[in-house]
Amino acid sequence: GAGVSQSPSNKVTEKGKDVELRCDPISGHTALYWYRQSLGQGLEFLIYFQGNSAPDKSGLPSDRFSAERTGGSVSTLTIQRTQQEDSAVYLCASSPRSGRAGEQFFGPGTRLTVL
Amino acid sequence: AQTVTQSQPEMSVQEAETVTLSCTYDTSESDYYLFWYKQPPSRQMILVIRQEAYKQQNATENRFSVNFQKAAKSFSLKISDSQLGDAAMYFCAYRGHPQGGSEKLVFGKGTKLTVNP
Repeated sequence: GAGVSQSPSNKVTEKGKDVELRCDPISGHTALYWYRQSLGQGLEFLIYFQGNSAPDKSGLPSDRFSAERTGGSVSTLTIQRTQQEDSAVYLCASSPRSGRAGEQFFGPGTRLTVL
Repeated sequence: AQTVTQSQPEMSVQEAETVTLSCTYDTSESDYYLFWYKQPPSRQMILVIRQEAYKQQNATENRFSVNFQKAAKSFSLKISDSQLGDAAMYFCAYRGHPQGGSEKLVFGKGTKLTVNP
């Protein structure tokens, strides 16, 4: 079956612009996660969605970052007024359900470059 | 907060040989899960092996096995009969118990493994 997909694969933007990154999880997966992978910080958790519960936003680095998940499926991560330090690979993952040590299935990521 | 440390930024191994990647972690929880993920240049993170902390037996998946030392908070990955396709970044990750902790994965900084022919 299809895995987690992310778009775009690469995004180059100018400082101060807004960007939207999209994640399509595996069909039927109720949990969805966003991580950021940067050279200096490694892999960092950003946000977690589980069903209709309130998302865990504890990893979002600033109020310029937001995410939503529509219809319990597709998710969009929005970064407003991008800064050069936002340059990183943004990874999305999904898993069948929470409450278990289920594998998180990762997408190929979106490489964001802020000039 | 939980932390994961991978002390080897880079490792190399000859094809067909065995290599061990180190990982230590810090937590106050008694029940949790540990993972090793592989990330090739394609950026796709792939689960290699997982270990549940309440299980004393070390997990094994074909050529991959772990040495889980709960008291020492150590979780090393052994790759036997290394193959060229094993070359990648390897990340150790921690996840707390779902009822008491967060669903998020906490990652180490990674170890870049090179396999020499």
